[in-house]
Amino acid sequence: EDQVTQSPEALRLQEGESSSLNCSYTVSGLRGLFWYRQDPGKGPEFLFTLYSAGEEKEKERLKATLTKKESFLHITAPKPEDSATYLCAATSYTGANSKLTFGKGITLSVRP
Amino acid sequence: SQTIHQWPATLVQPVGSPLSLECTVEGTSNPNLYWYRQAAGRGLQLLFYSVGIGQISSEVPQNLSASRPQDRQFILSSKKLLLSDSGFYLCAWSVGTAGTQYFGPGTRLLVL
Repeated sequence: EDQVTQSPEALRLQEGESSSLNCSYTVSGLRGLFWYRQDPGKGPEFLFTLYSAGEEKEKERLKATLTKKESFLHITAPKPEDSATYLCAATSYTGANSKLTFGKGITLSVRP
Repeated sequence: SQTIHQWPATLVQPVGSPLSLECTVEGTSNPNLYWYRQAAGRGLQLLFYSVGIGQISSEVPQNLSASRPQDRQFILSSKKLLLSDSGFYLCAWSVGTAGTQYFGPGTRLLVL
């Protein structure tokens, strides 16, 4: 069974204090690794898709990286508006239709 | 550009009452459609997905059902709600089975 584990569950940072969020995955043939941002009471907002180990993608203060077992979301010099829950999800080649397996999310709080 | 709508945004229903949540997508044709439930402290749980009109696959046995009467319309229903049906319901769409899933704003359901 596919599994996605995110750590830590919650992270509190000071504005400007860079850090990384971890996503470990166990899937039968990774088809894609996805990162989403979710604000309270809203639907997840798509950030990145990574397909193969070694791939990196950047958007503003965020950079996502992928290895064969993990993905990291690096946040450089975060601002209070980066506070949100960050979700990681993986899809595999098993089955006729790709099914996203989500982690429980990491709640990030950035203090001014 | 593509847009996904969900309504209602919030719903309070008594136990045993029926349920109908609606999701519509604009700006794309023949999308894959998904219903998820998000409970506090737990990851997103896939409930149903559809690859075309009238084609529904169920992931979790429960008292909920889904229908796709039109290409870009996805409906989540129940004949009799349970307390355990409370949660945040999210609709998503993708192009193809491996495409990135994009989420709607969600419906908060409280069953009393």
